[in-house]
Amino acid sequence: QQQVKQSPQSLIVQKGGISIINCAYENTAFDYFPWYQQFPGKGPALLIAIRPDVSEKKEGRFTISFNKSAKQFSLHIMDSQPGDSATYFCAEAYKLIFGSGTRLLVRP
Amino acid sequence: EAGVVQSPRYKIIEKKQPVAFWCNPISGHNTLYWYRQNLGQGPELLIRYENEEAVDDSQLPKDRFSAERLKGVDSTLKIQPAELGDSAVYLCASSNVFEGSIRAFFGQGTRLTVV
Repeated sequence: QQQVKQSPQSLIVQKGGISIINCAYENTAFDYFPWYQQFPGKGPALLIAIRPDVSEKKEGRFTISFNKSAKQFSLHIMDSQPGDSATYFCAEAYKLIFGSGTRLLVRP
Repeated sequence: EAGVVQSPRYKIIEKKQPVAFWCNPISGHNTLYWYRQNLGQGPELLIRYENEEAVDDSQLPKDRFSAERLKGVDSTLKIQPAELGDSAVYLCASSNVFEGSIRAFFGQGTRLTVV
């Protein structure tokens, strides 16, 4: 079922650092690339998304970079904070199939 | 606007017993999804509805799982009989289309423990 592959599985970053999570997709027909954030005991929530007609989208400390030729998109969290500690999922937005997730821990 | 509501939040049952989960999606959302999420893994799509029609149930174990969405609103997911391996969080989501893109909203999930 998995049509998007994430890396790394887990990530530890110091407060104030940059967190980078990558996602590779297979189906070039995808036209929407979202990232979801999930805290323990909660359902995933849409964090940020990008369409393939742009190469980058920024919302606050969160940025998506999109590389169409490499079929990859990545999430960058600038000035990472302990409150960003969560699991992040990329997804294929047509059938809403998720990647395996990246567990981020931001140390104070 | 109320979010996606799921019940119950937690359920503990003995193996071979039946169990049912209920989901009330966001008003106006035609698309509804059921997922299963095992600890440390991503949500696995079980079934997707467009209104009342199940348009993708390829990952639903049909020997023991069933789902329905009456009147294209609320939905129930049933397992009968439950097995130990069914212990997981069951998530419901609904989606709309915003500026040409699908936005999905999730409920808090039902944590099922089969003993």
